[in-house]
Amino acid sequence: EVQVVESGGGLVQPGRSLRLSCTASGFTFGDYDLSWVRQAPGKGLEWVGLIKSKTYGGTAEYAASVKGRFTISRDDSKSVAYLQMNSLKTEDTAVYYCTRQLVVAATYYFDYWGLGTLVTVSS
Amino acid sequence: QSVLTQPPSVSGAPGQRVTISCTGSSSNIGAGYDVHWYQQLPGTAPKLLIYYNSNRPSGVPDRFSGSKSGTSASLAITGLQAEDEADYYCQSYDYSLSGVVFGGGTKLTVL
Repeated sequence: EVQVVESGGGLVQPGRSLRLSCTASGFTFGDYDLSWVRQAPGKGLEWVGLIKSKTYGGTAEYAASVKGRFTISRDDSKSVAYLQMNSLKTEDTAVYYCTRQLVVAATYYFDYWGLGTLVTVSS
Repeated sequence: QSVLTQPPSVSGAPGQRVTISCTGSSSNIGAGYDVHWYQQLPGTAPKLLIYYNSNRPSGVPDRFSGSKSGTSASLAITGLQAEDEADYYCQSYDYSLSGVVFGGGTKLTVL
């Protein structure tokens, strides 16, 4: 059974950093791209960024709202992906979901989602 | 303001048919990028409902169907059931933004 589990959320002050983890099981982790998607309280879904599989370079791409502040990485030996969030702002407050991503012809979609982890940025 | 536009809410009585629209532009849906749909039940994580415009993952009832034309897509739900009450999101890719884009979400109320 495919499972994706996020961890590392919590309360953090503006300007500080936080690292989220995404631990996966039930599939060959290294074969898949992964994305992070967030949802602010009472709001819709917002794509944060993705990391490609090593087969496709292992590179990361980011939404404009987080580019330069957030970094996505992966450790295929541990089946874990990370979201390093620096210079956090109050508007980064959200539930952060890790998703398994499928891609064909530059079209991405997300077939498995974790339960999410809440990040609250507040003084 | 979301790149993909959805109605904030739709409603229908049990057994009826409802549709949810998703309107994009020439840099996303109109450029040929596929549309995918997600269902988010209250208090839960989103779940893939439709992929590649009209395909249903295993386990999704055939009451749910999707279509795409031009710069828009739509999700249709027939034989509405109380358990269908949820938020629905469309998703695609936008080449001018170089990233994944979502609609703002539509809340479905079963009367």
